[in-house]
Amino acid sequence: NAGVMQNPRHLVRRRGQEARLRCSPMKGHSHVYWYRQLPEEGLKFMVYLQKENIIDESGMPKERFSAEFPKEGPSILRIQQVVRGDSAAYFCASSPPGTGAHEQYFGPGTRLTVT
Amino acid sequence: QQQVKQSPQSLIVQKGGISIINCAYENTAFDYFPWYQQFPGKGPALLIAIRPDVSEKKEGRFTISFNKSAKQFSLHIMDSQPGDSATYFCAAYSGAGSYQLTFGKGTKLSVIP
Repeated sequence: NAGVMQNPRHLVRRRGQEARLRCSPMKGHSHVYWYRQLPEEGLKFMVYLQKENIIDESGMPKERFSAEFPKEGPSILRIQQVVRGDSAAYFCASSPPGTGAHEQYFGPGTRLTVT
Repeated sequence: QQQVKQSPQSLIVQKGGISIINCAYENTAFDYFPWYQQFPGKGPALLIAIRPDVSEKKEGRFTISFNKSAKQFSLHIMDSQPGDSATYFCAAYSGAGSYQLTFGKGTKLSVIP
């Protein structure tokens, strides 16, 4: 029973390039969450998605960041025109449908480095 | 505004000792309090969780104590082992319209032989 899968695990981008981070939730889970972790910090919520819908994007920066969870395929977190401050670990979590939104299981993360 | 405050930032405990990590929250709408364990280079793993209708929950060597009136909760690790060395995060969740976990800043635990 595979857990939450994220790829790539490490991503290096130069300033101004685009970063695409992918997340496949646990089998049977239909809710996906993205969090960002800066060094020596806790995780900060970015966005919550269900299939084809963004439910809560209150933690997402207004510019350059977007997220989707299409009907088929993984959830994608897209960062356009990356800057050095975007360097962080990005974690995806998933939870089961119904009332299980509080039980969030995390993937291994994508560590983004912007040079 | 940090809604979940965690202390200490780091903790060194001898093998066999008790590790205690504390968290305090402000938002009374929080109704689920999980603890996560994170090893370097890995994602956070759900360790144990509690709801505010109970004052204590125990799973193996891990115990959560919860004080609703003080808005505080803590993680106790009994008989701490070197393999417990990791960063521990407390978190809080409100089912009232928000689906996000609010995390503390983490405690780096080192268990020395």
